[in-house]
Amino acid sequence: KNQVEQSPQSLIILEGKNCTLQCNYTVSPFSNLRWYKQDTGRGPVSLTIMTFSENTKSNGRYTATLDADTKQSSLHITASQLSDSASYICVVTQHGSGAGSYQLTFGKGTKLSVIP
Amino acid sequence: NAGVMQNPRHLVRRRGQEARLRCSPMKGHSHVYWYRQLPEEGLKFMVYLQKENIIDESGMPKERFSAEFPKEGPSILRIQQVVRGDSAAYFCASSPSQGSGELFFGEGSRLTVL
Repeated sequence: KNQVEQSPQSLIILEGKNCTLQCNYTVSPFSNLRWYKQDTGRGPVSLTIMTFSENTKSNGRYTATLDADTKQSSLHITASQLSDSASYICVVTQHGSGAGSYQLTFGKGTKLSVIP
Repeated sequence: NAGVMQNPRHLVRRRGQEARLRCSPMKGHSHVYWYRQLPEEGLKFMVYLQKENIIDESGMPKERFSAEFPKEGPSILRIQQVVRGDSAAYFCASSPSQGSGELFFGEGSRLTVL
């Protein structure tokens, strides 16, 4: 069964500090992995998307890593800001064949709270 | 270039009524996906459509739920005879092509069934 597990479930950090969110998956065959940011009451917004051959990808203060061998990914946030408070969702796409096989498995997200 | 537009943002229905949720994809996108999110849960795939075709509806309940994406106009997710368990946020996403690697989400429609 395809699964995406994220940890921690929630996290509170002080403004200016760094943090790392984890994502483990069992989706196979693997196509790509994405990290989304979802503010409360809003739709998810893409931060990064990584394919099998990519180990690291950055987007401003966000850096995602991918280890396709161990099926793990992390999202590192540097110098956190109050506006980083949101849920961060790991999403893994399963590679398939033919139309209709574009399937994404979503993690439940890590709820990050940045406090002053 | 407007993003994915969903309406209504909030919808309240009594048990047994019908709910219609609309989604206009980004300009130039012909692929639409609907997801449901329960509180404290991840998004769950419901249905994938292209213009005038349902490609994959494996995540959508067989009864009471239907979706369409007509040649003209928005995609519509229709829930008949709603029950309290249908209360959730329903998100629509669009992409320019299958497997393009990028999905753009709308802000969601929050359905509350009384």
